[in-house]
Amino acid sequence: AQSVTQPDIHITVSEGASLELRCNYSYGATPYLFWYVQSPGQGLQLLLKYFSGDTLVQGIKGFEAEFKRSQSSFNLRKPSVHWSDAAEYFCAVGRDIRYGGSQGNLIFGKGTKLSVKP
Amino acid sequence: DGGITQSPKYLFRKEGQNVTLSCEQNLNHDAMYWYRQDPGQGLRLIYYSQIVNDFQKGDIAEGYSVSREKKESFPLTVTSAQKNPTAFYLCASSIRWAGYQPQHFGDGTRLSIL
Repeated sequence: AQSVTQPDIHITVSEGASLELRCNYSYGATPYLFWYVQSPGQGLQLLLKYFSGDTLVQGIKGFEAEFKRSQSSFNLRKPSVHWSDAAEYFCAVGRDIRYGGSQGNLIFGKGTKLSVKP
Repeated sequence: DGGITQSPKYLFRKEGQNVTLSCEQNLNHDAMYWYRQDPGQGLRLIYYSQIVNDFQKGDIAEGYSVSREKKESFPLTVTSAQKNPTAFYLCASSIRWAGYQPQHFGDGTRLSIL
């Protein structure tokens, strides 16, 4: 079955430092991949998405993600973190009905909480 | 602006009481979803609807019910059978049920037990 793993539950970085959040997926073909951000008490906002083509995807708020098929990864990066980036980040993969399941169209990871030190 | 409106933002339930959470979208999306979010557990799917007048159970449907009588509306009822309803509830929609379609989310409803 398809799945998404975010290995880090909680990450703390200093303001101005670089950031990389990890995401691994299980899938057979080229997946549809997404990153979302959730501020406390809010809904999820789409940061970026990957469907095909260039493996480096640019998103909003200065974020980017790189798709690496050989590693089944879609890591999120930002060169310089701002205090306002403190939030929870969710990686998701689009469900392929060939792999079974009849649930939501996206499978979400359990999230990584980002804290930013001043 | 198009979007998803969830109401109320905060809701309190007494023991043995049913409560209904509202979700309205003006994005003209076919598919809609309800999630429950508890600390450290990510998003868990309660119900989803691929099209109006149709809905399916998700992973944790017990104690919940939904309806989809209008394309723009997908209300969730938390029944008294749900023994631990305290959580943050998120409604989402997508243009259609397809793996390449992103979901758009409302701002959530926080339900607490009195």
